[in-house]
Amino acid sequence: ILNVEQSPQSLHVQEGDSTNFTCSFPSSNFYALHWYRWETAKSPEALFVMTLNGDEKKKGRISATLNTKEGYSYLYIKGSQPEDSATYLCALYMDTGRRALTFGSGTRLQVQP
Amino acid sequence: DADVTQTPRNRITKTGKRIMLECSQTKGHDRMYWYRQDPGLGLRLIYYSFDVKDINKGEISDGYSVSRQAQAKFSLSLESAIPNQTALYFCATSDSGQHTDTQYFGPGTRLTVL
Repeated sequence: ILNVEQSPQSLHVQEGDSTNFTCSFPSSNFYALHWYRWETAKSPEALFVMTLNGDEKKKGRISATLNTKEGYSYLYIKGSQPEDSATYLCALYMDTGRRALTFGSGTRLQVQP
Repeated sequence: DADVTQTPRNRITKTGKRIMLECSQTKGHDRMYWYRQDPGLGLRLIYYSFDVKDINKGEISDGYSVSRQAQAKFSLSLESAIPNQTALYFCATSDSGQHTDTQYFGPGTRLTVL
């Protein structure tokens, strides 16, 4: 089974702080990396899909980078706000014969006002 | 109206009972998925279906079965529920199943097995 590791498991920051967290994965047979945002009591929603080494995506204050050669992606949040509080899930589509995403366990972010 | 709906939203049942969780979608997607979420474990894939005739086991299919009644409907059954199946269950859909396709999730079903 493919291991998709996310760190840290949880994070508490103050409003206005910038933060980042990591998704690590085996670098071989990589097809795509997805980031999802999951707020409590809601459904996970897609943030980014990344496919190319060196790819960078941005949506407002949130951005993500991808290094396929070394097997990691960083998600950055600039100037965290309380509404950014959520669990951020990383998922990979790999060439393992299984035609579906494999999710990491997530990073739970809490932003204190 | 939500594009992906799940029923029931909450269910409490007893060990040994048969339970069915239902998922419907109006997105017209071919691919549908069932996941379970346990604290600290993220989303784990139970079953997935590429169309009504193509159903595949995920990483934790033991103790579960599925039925794809139509393109829009994908049901998950627990034939004889046990307490360690207590979890939050999500249904999801995607369009063509390409590696870049976004998955769209339902609101989840919280199942408690006593």
